[in-house]
Amino acid sequence: EIVMTQSPATLSVSPGERATLSCRASQSVSSNLAWYQQKPGQAPRLLIYGASTRATGIPARFSGSGSGTEFTLTISSLQSEDFAVYYCQQYNNWPLYTFGQGTKLEIK
Amino acid sequence: EVQLVQSGAEVKKPGESLKISCKGSGYSFTSYWIGWVRQMPGKGLEWMGIIYPGDSDTRYSPSFQGQVTISADKSISTAYLQWSSLKASDTAMYYCARPILDCSGGSCYPYYFDYWGQGTLVTVSS
Repeated sequence: EIVMTQSPATLSVSPGERATLSCRASQSVSSNLAWYQQKPGQAPRLLIYGASTRATGIPARFSGSGSGTEFTLTISSLQSEDFAVYYCQQYNNWPLYTFGQGTKLEIK
Repeated sequence: EVQLVQSGAEVKKPGESLKISCKGSGYSFTSYWIGWVRQMPGKGLEWMGIIYPGDSDTRYSPSFQGQVTISADKSISTAYLQWSSLKASDTAMYYCARPILDCSGGSCYPYYFDYWGQGTLVTVSS
């Protein structure tokens, strides 16, 4: 099983600032990496797939990068609606796709 | 419009059985996999397993193999997640989700989840 490790567990950032979230895979997942956003009481929402492609309707302030085992989600200028929990997921190792444990992005 | 509509919240006692559902609409139900994801209270997302309603091909995460059963009834475009004997530790929110299908490599594989159900809260308590 590929273990996905996200860091930090909690990130405190002020509105308008930049947030950088990390996701590391225990072995290479190529670019088969997605990011999801989850707000309280809601289902997760797809943000990024293929490590760097924004999903439909996702604002340009969200960007993803990386390949192999190291990945980053960057939110360039935090808006109030961006404070949420973010998960990475690898879909390289069929049929065992795994999620990271999540990073909570909170208002500083 | 693609929609996944899940059955309502359940409150059960330990040892009881349960089957929750996820009805797909707005797309060809038999042409896409449907996955199940667990979220325990205050915790992260866990990939449980996935089914292809077209031929009922089902795969499980080792953590959930033997603990739950995933099935589908393509005649009514509905996938199911069931337990034969619930435990308190099964208390969680359960999401169904539809992954995009990638056929670029010759074979087709489900990838990331682009549509999610609203979730079904299962509470198991004596």
